[in-house]
Amino acid sequence: TQLLEQSPQFLSIQEGENLTVYCNSSSVFSSLQWYRQEPGEGPVLLVTVVTGGEVKKLKRLTFQFGDARKDSSLHITAAQPGDTGLYLCAGATGNQFYFGTGTSLTVIP
Amino acid sequence: SQTIHQWPATLVQPVGSPLSLECTVEGTSNPNLYWYRQAAGRGLQLLFYSVGIGQISSEVPQNLSASRPQDRQFILSSKKLLLSDSGFYLCAWDPLGTEAFFGQGTRLTVV
Repeated sequence: TQLLEQSPQFLSIQEGENLTVYCNSSSVFSSLQWYRQEPGEGPVLLVTVVTGGEVKKLKRLTFQFGDARKDSSLHITAAQPGDTGLYLCAGATGNQFYFGTGTSLTVIP
Repeated sequence: SQTIHQWPATLVQPVGSPLSLECTVEGTSNPNLYWYRQAAGRGLQLLFYSVGIGQISSEVPQNLSASRPQDRQFILSSKKLLLSDSGFYLCAWDPLGTEAFFGQGTRLTVV
């Protein structure tokens, strides 16, 4: 079983602050995804990174894939209450996707 | 367009009763299909995945089984539910081998 550790597990910040979530593994993945999940719903795909060292930006969100394709980070600039949710990373290898332990983010207005 | 349907959305079942959760995908053929279980506020545990009809791979030995009777249908079953089977079950499909798309999930409570 591939293990992806996310940190921090819980994060509560004020609106307007910046934050970074980390996703680390000892395994190499062919690609890595970040998802956001609302309570009672399925995860929604935010981004997929494929190339080591790749950086992708989605409005206020910046995603980076580690050079060795074992880790990734998600940086949110000027967080808003609408960013509140559970953030999950997932690594793809073969036909399987292995999910991280999750980061629960709360942005306080 | 491709869509994934999962039902029911919520389910309350007594201990020892059988279970059948169904997932179907539209707008594609021969998709990779997955069943995950999620504990509250935590990551997803891969239970089963399938690359084709009748082809099921199990990640974790447990009280559950999966079947793929048709190309776009994936079923999660149990003959006798345990209290520990309670959780949020998610079906997903993978069009490109690089990312998974999820259904809305089923909240199962075993009482």
